[in-house]
Amino acid sequence: DTAVSQTPKYLVTQMGNDKSIKCEQNLGHDTMYWYKQDSKKFLKIMFSYNNKELIINETVPNRFSPKSPDKAHLNLHINSLELGDSAVYFCASSQESGRAADEQFFGPGTRLTVL
Amino acid sequence: DAKTTQPTSMDCAEGRAANLPCNHSTISGNEYVYWYRQIHSQGPQYIIHGLKNNETNEMASLIITEDRKSSTLILPHATLRDTAVYYCIVRVGRGSARQLTFGSGTQLTVLP
Repeated sequence: DTAVSQTPKYLVTQMGNDKSIKCEQNLGHDTMYWYKQDSKKFLKIMFSYNNKELIINETVPNRFSPKSPDKAHLNLHINSLELGDSAVYFCASSQESGRAADEQFFGPGTRLTVL
Repeated sequence: DAKTTQPTSMDCAEGRAANLPCNHSTISGNEYVYWYRQIHSQGPQYIIHGLKNNETNEMASLIITEDRKSSTLILPHATLRDTAVYYCIVRVGRGSARQLTFGSGTQLTVLP
């Protein structure tokens, strides 16, 4: 069973469109994240959710909005897509309560291409 | 979180030990050292972490200097599948700063 899954794996769309990327984890973790990896391969945190509360929101445009229907899911909605949004987006999860310093488990990534 | 410095790239012969260094001279007392790797076109994968003692698991060993200002990740018998970018990250173990701040990492190439 896949621990952290993302759909779709590839997403090609036009500028100005609105799109969503879904993420699910079956590890029972209490915290989920979205990271962006740009063309220069730098991985940057975008959001994290802990028990349905947004706890970190880096300097990400408000066109990006995370939505967590339940503890196992954290979806990423993007409005009015721009060329610069083209990147690989990774979802991750971890267990942050209880034992300290747990590792994060990453999904396979979603490659978004905006034309 | 403290910043880290890693060499841009390293080569290692298949079957030999790969030793990847990391400097983190500004690390705080409550910050852990984590290592992740990213194989081409895949998501990052956790390898190991430690606070001040040396650690070993089925993937690797982590050696942290006594002053905690640097560490070394050791892959004891590198294989071609270990070719990846290796990231050394320091962060607090718990609390609000749960993010991982990735640097540019070390591209390890295992040669046949």
